[in-house]
Amino acid sequence: KQEVTQIPAALSVPEGENLVLNCSFTDSAIYNLQWFRQDPGKGLTSLLLIQSSQREQTSGRLNASLDKSSGRSTLYIAASQPGDSATYLCAVEISSGSARQLTFGSGTQLTVLP
Amino acid sequence: DAGITQSPRHKVTETGTPVTLRCHQTENHRYMYWYRQDPGHGLRLIHYSYGVKDTDKGEVSDGYSVSRSKTEDFLLTLESATSSQTSVYFCAISERYTQYFGPGTRLTVL
Repeated sequence: KQEVTQIPAALSVPEGENLVLNCSFTDSAIYNLQWFRQDPGKGLTSLLLIQSSQREQTSGRLNASLDKSSGRSTLYIAASQPGDSATYLCAVEISSGSARQLTFGSGTQLTVLP
Repeated sequence: DAGITQSPRHKVTETGTPVTLRCHQTENHRYMYWYRQDPGHGLRLIHYSYGVKDTDKGEVSDGYSVSRSKTEDFLLTLESATSSQTSVYFCAISERYTQYFGPGTRLTVL
């Protein structure tokens, strides 16, 4: 059974700092890995998607990497801002049953202090 | 938000009562999903649908049933709610390689 772990569970940093969020998964047979953002009381918003054949994806100040062989992904946030405060979840897409499915980590709650 | 709405957005009910949550989408997506989110567990898949009247179980399906009689609506039913089903429930659709999520329903079972 695929398991996804995110460390740390919570992180607090001062504004302007570069930071790394970690995600690990137990089974390398994945289609892709995605990073989502969740604001309090809201749904999830997709940030970056890395296909299994890719090593990284970038969007603005965000860069996500994928090392499928070691079962690890990182989300790098450059020059953090208070508006980046949210919970970040990673999820791997696997094949199961009649559809592809996402297995989620429990998230890292990020607070960026002004 | 890929045109996904959930209703109700908040509900408080009592143990043993039936509850139905509705997910509605406007863009004719084939795949729809129901998740629950609990502290320390991330999101866990309850059931999903791959077409009208085509559904399958996810990781935490016990105590839940679903129905999809038309493309745009995916219903999640708790036949007899229990306190362990207090959670936030999210609906999602699949488009290309990612999923888009609704705003969630916060359900409290007393």
